[in-house]
Amino acid sequence: AQTVTQSQPEMSVQEAETVTLSCTYDTSESDYYLFWYKQPPSRQMILVIRQEAYKQQNATENRFSVNFQKAAKSFSLKISDSQLGDAAMYFCAYTPPIKFGNEKLTFGTGTRLTIIP
Amino acid sequence: KAGVTQTPRYLIKTRGQQVTLSCSPISGHRSVSWYQQTPGQGLQFLFEYFSETQRNKGNFPGRFSGRQFSNSRSEMNVSTLELGDSALYLCASSLARLAGAQNTQYFGPGTRLTVL
Repeated sequence: AQTVTQSQPEMSVQEAETVTLSCTYDTSESDYYLFWYKQPPSRQMILVIRQEAYKQQNATENRFSVNFQKAAKSFSLKISDSQLGDAAMYFCAYTPPIKFGNEKLTFGTGTRLTIIP
Repeated sequence: KAGVTQTPRYLIKTRGQQVTLSCSPISGHRSVSWYQQTPGQGLQFLFEYFSETQRNKGNFPGRFSGRQFSNSRSEMNVSTLELGDSALYLCASSLARLAGAQNTQYFGPGTRLTVL
């Protein structure tokens, strides 16, 4: 079974600084998808960034980027120029290859990110 | 495009009652998944529906059930409620294509269920 591990329950960063959230996963598949979602106090789960395992290039979305190390099964999220609105719980998630019957997301336990003004 | 909507947003029930939660996916999305979020267990997958068929089911008792309608809207039902069913129930939709990179799930705001 696939597992996703987030070893940092809480992180904090000064506003405008850079922070990296860690995630490791375990799978026997060679093709899969990885995601970072954020969940602010409103509890709405918001997609931050997505990475396809077959792509060697790390995904980026504005101030958000990932460091995807397939061999190490590591998928960290870097947030640059942190803003107060980035304060949230961040979840790393895995889903297996696209085929019928595999739409399930497996989530890590989350990292609570605090932004210090 | 409108996002995923869930109704109601908040529910209070008592033990032994049953509850039905509703989810309307993003227009054009054919797959709907349900997740339970609790402080103790985190985010756990309940089930997933595609074209009115349950394709995948998590490790939950039979008291948890669901269905999907022809317009892709989905409902989940919990019968004989227990205190431990208190949770945030999240619904997510996706395009669920056979090939391509569109296997991304987009979430609704959730339904907060409290069982007294």
